[in-house]
Amino acid sequence: QQPVQSPQAVILREGEDAVINCSSSKALYSVHWYRQKHGEAPVFLMILLKGGEQKGHEKISASFNEKKQQSSLYLTASQLSYSGTYFCGTELTQGGSEKLVFGKGTKLTVNP
Amino acid sequence: DTGVSQDPRHKITKRGQNVTFRCDPISEHNRLYWYRQTLGQGPEFLTYFQNEAQLEKSRLLSDRFSAERPKGSFSTLEIQRTEQGDSAMYLCASSARPPRGQFFGPGTRLTVL
Repeated sequence: QQPVQSPQAVILREGEDAVINCSSSKALYSVHWYRQKHGEAPVFLMILLKGGEQKGHEKISASFNEKKQQSSLYLTASQLSYSGTYFCGTELTQGGSEKLVFGKGTKLTVNP
Repeated sequence: DTGVSQDPRHKITKRGQNVTFRCDPISEHNRLYWYRQTLGQGPEFLTYFQNEAQLEKSRLLSDRFSAERPKGSFSTLEIQRTEQGDSAMYLCASSARPPRGQFFGPGTRLTVL
């Protein structure tokens, strides 16, 4: 039931792009993306609902393909502040608790 | 605009002792969640409240764990007879009417000796 994230880790130079994927074996209602820096709480980035929408947040955007039960997070022209571990949280039930099942995370390191 | 707060931020206890954590959600949020996170893992769902009602509890949660949210405001999570395996970061999150994101507090790091 836990979604699978790939890659597990990625190292970038400032200004480079990255894609983080999240795949589920179950049908999804929504996908949430969070970024967590070491020793801090997860910070909400965006939520994508069933319907295949794509969202953007400054230079960070995401897509959700409900047929493939996959979501991807796109980081464009990465900045040093993007470093951290990115988690996808998946919700299985429509109109339910918004109970999330999180992946194991993707560690992103952005170097100067 | 205050975020989610948790108290204490750190707790060290001996095995067998009881501990209680507190979470104060964002004031207008009616949903409150408790998660547990261990090193290298994503947050793991424990339980959630809508207003004062506890609507779901993880099957992974033993009877030693109990949570309350009196009057639909702050929430407490109690762990009785702590075990070393309970050592983790306990995170609280709150959200408004879905579909909205969950906003996490800074967490309480529990160490059981």
